[in-house]
Amino acid sequence: GQQVMQIPQYQHVQEGEDFTTYCNSSTTLSNIQWYKQRPGGHPVFLIQLVKSGEVKKQKRLTFQFGEAKKNSSLHITATQTTDVGTYFCAGHMNRDDKIIFGKGTRLHILP
Amino acid sequence: DTEVTQTPKHLVMGMTNKKSLKCEQHMGHRAMYWYKQKAKKPPELMFVYSYEKLSINESVPSRFSPECPNSSLLNLHLHALQPEDSALYLCASSQEWGWAEQFFGPGTRLTVL
Repeated sequence: GQQVMQIPQYQHVQEGEDFTTYCNSSTTLSNIQWYKQRPGGHPVFLIQLVKSGEVKKQKRLTFQFGEAKKNSSLHITATQTTDVGTYFCAGHMNRDDKIIFGKGTRLHILP
Repeated sequence: DTEVTQTPKHLVMGMTNKKSLKCEQHMGHRAMYWYKQKAKKPPELMFVYSYEKLSINESVPSRFSPECPNSSLLNLHLHALQPEDSALYLCASSQEWGWAEQFFGPGTRLTVL
C-alpha cells in the first residue's frame, strides 16, 4: 500500500544540538503535514506544506517540501528540553484521499 | 473553543462488556475521525465521518461501531473486544475532509482484559 517512510526512528541529541527528521514517499504527495506528540500526549498539528520546494519557519523549526513533492524534512535548531516528543509527517496522495502518517521520529534530549 | 474532548480518559473492560467512547468538538468542523494508536506507533485511521456520514471505514472489525449523532459528537461503540484491541483511541476533527489540519483529542486509554 501507499507508504510515507520516515527516518530516523529515534534520535538522541545533546541539548543545544540541531535535529532533523526526514520523510520520503515513493509517489508524489499533494501536501505534507507535520505533527508533534509529547510523551503521554496526543498529536498536535505543527504546519502544512503544499507547494513544490516550499520552506516554512516557526522560530527554531524549519520545514521543507521537496521539489518533486516526494520528500520533506523538519529541522530544529538548538534543541531544548521542550522539543522532546515524537514528530510525525503525514501526507495525502490526492486532496480527497485519507491522510497517511509516517512512523515518526522520537526525539530525546540529553541534558 | 478550539479543543476536542474525549471521555473517558481511561477504560478497562472485559471481553464480554459493551462500552462507548465519546468525542465532542464545538469548532464547527464537518469531518471527524477515529484513530487507534499502539505504543510507539503512528495513529492508525479507523473511521472518517464527513458531514455526519461515514465516509471511510478502514476495514475495521465489526466489534467497533462508530456513530455520529450530530455534527459535534462522535461515538465509538465497543463490544466483544479482544486484548489486542488495547490501545490509545484518538478522536480528531478538521474543518473539512481532505487537507485541513486535524485537531486531536487527548484520547481514551483502553485496556481489554
